[in-house]
Amino acid sequence: ILNVEQSPQSLHVQEGDSTNFTCSFPSSNFYALHWYRWETAKSPEALFVMTLNGDEKKKGRISATLNTKEGYSYLYIKGSQPEDSATYLCAFTSGSARQLTFGSGTQLTVLP
Amino acid sequence: DTAVSQTPKYLVTQMGNDKSIKCEQNLGHDTMYWYKQDSKKFLKIMFSYNNKELIINETVPNRFSPKSPDKAHLNLHINSLELGDSAVYFCASSQVLQGTYEQYFGPGTRLTVT
Repeated sequence: ILNVEQSPQSLHVQEGDSTNFTCSFPSSNFYALHWYRWETAKSPEALFVMTLNGDEKKKGRISATLNTKEGYSYLYIKGSQPEDSATYLCAFTSGSARQLTFGSGTQLTVLP
Repeated sequence: DTAVSQTPKYLVTQMGNDKSIKCEQNLGHDTMYWYKQDSKKFLKIMFSYNNKELIINETVPNRFSPKSPDKAHLNLHINSLELGDSAVYFCASSQVLQGTYEQYFGPGTRLTVT
């Protein structure tokens, strides 16, 4: 059983604040780490896929880092906007599995 | 233009019935999946299907069976529906061979069993 844990479970921030959340995953047999954005009543959409230790990815105000040796990834949102409100999921793929194991997500609410 | 489509979007049915949910992807991906969103909003893998190889999550009751007529389609058939089967079911696809497993999700099917 692969455990993927995310924290915090939920988060409320004011518009304009910067924020970050954590995903921890098994550090052995790593293949890829994914971040997804999941808006209410929609389906998850991929933000980033990271495969190398030290990877940093950026898309607009959102960025992510990866540490495969210690088994964690951070997602950062700079200058949060109300439209950033969503659940952010991370998912882990091991070298031996052909599927993703999802964390429970961090539910972000950005207050105007 | 829809990459991964599911039908129906909503399904309301009675206990004991048999129902199917259809999924199609036009991305040319080699692997398709079914996920169940549980009451705590976890996404749990049910099945993945790659080039006629089926990988099953063993916690899934055998009343659930995936059927893949070709690599662009993976349908989910459920026999003898139970109240606890009520959930949102998501289909997804990804490219596994020389790919990153990035999942492209369908819009979900909300199943309600009464």
